[in-house]
Amino acid sequence: DAGITQSPRHKVTETGTPVTLRCHQTENHRYMYWYRQDPGHGLRLIHYSYGVKDTDKGEVSDGYSVSRSKTEDFLLTLESATSSQTSVYFCAGGTDTQYFGPGTRLTVL
Amino acid sequence: TQLLEQSPQFLSIQEGENLTVYCNSSSVFSSLQWYRQEPGEGPVLLVTVVTGGEVKKLKRLTFQFGDARKDSSLHITAAQPGDTGLYLCAGFKAAGNKLTFGGGTRVLVKP
Repeated sequence: DAGITQSPRHKVTETGTPVTLRCHQTENHRYMYWYRQDPGHGLRLIHYSYGVKDTDKGEVSDGYSVSRSKTEDFLLTLESATSSQTSVYFCAGGTDTQYFGPGTRLTVL
Repeated sequence: TQLLEQSPQFLSIQEGENLTVYCNSSSVFSSLQWYRQEPGEGPVLLVTVVTGGEVKKLKRLTFQFGDARKDSSLHITAAQPGDTGLYLCAGFKAAGNKLTFGGGTRVLVKP
């Protein structure tokens, strides 16, 4: 769905540095989600938001935080990146049907 | 531990053959969804099944939801190279508005 974009699309960073991934939507979805995708694990929910400034943890939230200051934008922050956070990150919007962004490939060296 | 188990994890077949992917869980879901993902892109919804025993067809793809709403299958008839991709099942629970994804099945259809 072209209504959800992510930036950057690729990032390489070093262990211990902070990283922020951005998700922008034009579909007015109330619910937004951040997932990580790793081989053999499918998509695992990191955090989600059910409205502006309303967020909650998913199943793999340790080491991540999120913020949503307006409906359109949902940010995912890795406060101090670790190699285990090397992954592909997807943002999605919607409820029972979710529409995904194109993903961000993050490598932590 | 995956709440949704997909099998097989990988499937390689020749063009024209049939294939079936399974998605099993011990949990009951409000609905079960199938997504397809191509390299470098996000998953795209193929179908949602809601009623136990429901069967939906999308051209050569047939989706079935188990009677107890815990499992589902995807059957592709006469597979084409364009069917190559990662197939993901996801269970939706209305409480919390969250999807739980299976581990995915990577399908390769060789010409």
